[in-house]
Amino acid sequence: QVQLVQSGAEVKKPGSSVKVSCKASGGTFNSYTITWVRQAPGQGLEWVGRIIPVLARSNYAQKFQGRVKITADKSTSTAYMELSSLRSEDTAVYYCRDGFEYWGQGTLVTVSS
Amino acid sequence: QSVLTQPPSASGTPGQRVTISCSGSSSNIGSNSVYWFQQLPGTAPKLLIYRTNQRPSGVPDRFSGSKSGSSASLAISGLRSEDEADYFCAAWSDSLNGPEVFGGGTKLTVL
Repeated sequence: QVQLVQSGAEVKKPGSSVKVSCKASGGTFNSYTITWVRQAPGQGLEWVGRIIPVLARSNYAQKFQGRVKITADKSTSTAYMELSSLRSEDTAVYYCRDGFEYWGQGTLVTVSS
Repeated sequence: QSVLTQPPSASGTPGQRVTISCSGSSSNIGSNSVYWFQQLPGTAPKLLIYRTNQRPSGVPDRFSGSKSGSSASLAISGLRSEDEADYFCAAWSDSLNGPEVFGGGTKLTVL
């Protein structure tokens, strides 16, 4: 059974960056596809991007191109999502996911001055 | 503004059958698999349906998915109080929006 455990909540200033981690266990990290999805308060889901760790290949939603970087550390079975130039509209719960079935618990990122 | 269109709300009484629609286009639902998620308040989404009409193990057969053209539907039969939740559809997309697009979600109320 795959388990994904994310890092804790963050409060950031506008213009700064945030890096959220997602540690996987219970499976083979090389077989994962880690996707990042976010959900603004009271809103729907939004695809941010994904990484295939075994290929070290990532792709991003056009909306976040240039501001987001998704990486993976195979030695620790951990994926990371870094979002820069934060603005208030980036306030959301960020989820990591393996395939479609396994989700992390979510990380609330609050952007506020 | 979500790429896939869902009704914002739906309701039913215990035991009833309800359906939730998800409308897209030829570049997403029309040519790719559809996924459905259930989200209870304060929790991560849970996969209900994958590849348009397949259920993961542990999901009751009261939940079923279907697709026709560029629209998909989630049906819930024998409605129960614990089905009250938000439901989201998703599909792969061939557009520049990214490989995956979502509906805005449907809040299901069990009366």
